[in-house]
Amino acid sequence: DGGITQSPKYLFRKEGQNVTLSCEQNLNHDAMYWYRQDPGQGLRLIYYSQIVNDFQKGDIAEGYSVSREKKESFPLTVTSAQKNPTAFYLCASSLRQTTYEQYFGPGTRLTVT
Amino acid sequence: GQQVMQIPQYQHVQEGEDFTTYCNSSTTLSNIQWYKQRPGGHPVFLIQLVKSGEVKKQKRLTFQFGEAKKNSSLHITATQTTDVGTYFCAGKTSGFQKLVFGTGTRLLVSP
Repeated sequence: DGGITQSPKYLFRKEGQNVTLSCEQNLNHDAMYWYRQDPGQGLRLIYYSQIVNDFQKGDIAEGYSVSREKKESFPLTVTSAQKNPTAFYLCASSLRQTTYEQYFGPGTRLTVT
Repeated sequence: GQQVMQIPQYQHVQEGEDFTTYCNSSTTLSNIQWYKQRPGGHPVFLIQLVKSGEVKKQKRLTFQFGEAKKNSSLHITATQTTDVGTYFCAGKTSGFQKLVFGTGTRLLVSP
């Protein structure tokens, strides 16, 4: 089965702790993305990567970090510097970054208290 | 920066009624995509429009890209309860690498 996996589905953390969300794809896609969705809101781009070992900041990168050491994996770390980390985090991938459709993972709902 | 707005934010219809959501960009788009997100789920790609004035149909769904390539619409004929969800448009400008998602329209269909 080809697709994107994100784990865990629900994650709870205490304020002040860093947390890493995983995203793996076996679609052989070059581009990967991280979005944040708040209740009743649209999707806001955090980081994206066009190729391995390269990534760019999106619209709301502050307080987040990523790595792209393998084509299949694009983990997102939510650091303690992120002021409002509680949200639904969605990972996506596309064949290339230009005009290709994005395939989304099931998401991770992060709650920080 | 580039902004993509959608209206309405929310619509509640009776099953069988039609529904339309509109997407407007502050800049000319090279293409526009539409996604559907079911409650509690993740966005799923529906379609992509590239040409000015393009119209595409998928069963009861009709997608349109404006002549100026700054707006788009999704029309659902005779809604069904399975149409419930949030519909997002997402656009990209030619010189811009990122896909910008619209604010979304949440559709609720009562039986």
